[in-house]
Amino acid sequence: GAVVSQHPSWVICKSGTSVKIECRSLDFQATTMFWYRQFPKQSLMLMATSNEGSKATYEQGVEKDKFLINHASLTLSTLTVTSAHPEDSSFYICSAKEGGGVWTQYFGPGTRLTVL
Amino acid sequence: AQTVTQSQPEMSVQEAETVTLSCTYDTSESDYYLFWYKQPPSRQMILVIRQEAYKQQNATENRFSVNFQKAAKSFSLKISDSQLGDAAMYFCAYRGNNNDMRFGAGTRLTVKP
Repeated sequence: GAVVSQHPSWVICKSGTSVKIECRSLDFQATTMFWYRQFPKQSLMLMATSNEGSKATYEQGVEKDKFLINHASLTLSTLTVTSAHPEDSSFYICSAKEGGGVWTQYFGPGTRLTVL
Repeated sequence: AQTVTQSQPEMSVQEAETVTLSCTYDTSESDYYLFWYKQPPSRQMILVIRQEAYKQQNATENRFSVNFQKAAKSFSLKISDSQLGDAAMYFCAYRGNNNDMRFGAGTRLTVKP
């Protein structure tokens, strides 16, 4: 199957700083990527849908100015957590849409963010 | 809005036995996709099986099969000949016309040797 990578796999930062997480589709082009957040022992919650070359679509309740998404190429989407606070600590997972018609969504391995 | 419900927070099965994980969903759409994903301790989401709503035949993938009841909006996963490596969190997911994927709360499956 198709491979999606995320970098970094884990990051620790100080409160007030910004953190960038990269999501790459390694062997396919992804016009659409998705960003999820997962709290411990909970399900995945969709944060936003990222489309190449256009603005991301954010889910209700997700602050677009805090979680900046840039999908600059067909293989890369980035999520920047700006002015991070301890409550932003979570597991962030991206996924990429592969194919058209009956398409499949492949997930990255996730990034664990800890804000001190 | 579509909702996905997994009513079993935890399930346990003896190795080599069969277990069924439940999932129900709510939607007004007629065309959609349903998925079962596995999330092992590594946290990597792995696609287990997919079902297109327009197909009446239940999907199967080796030891994994589903019981898709469209009228009842039910989508259960059956794991046959359970193996220790099947132990993980299992998430049921729905994808409709807006292409957003909605996940259930998950079921933690333990496999006893």
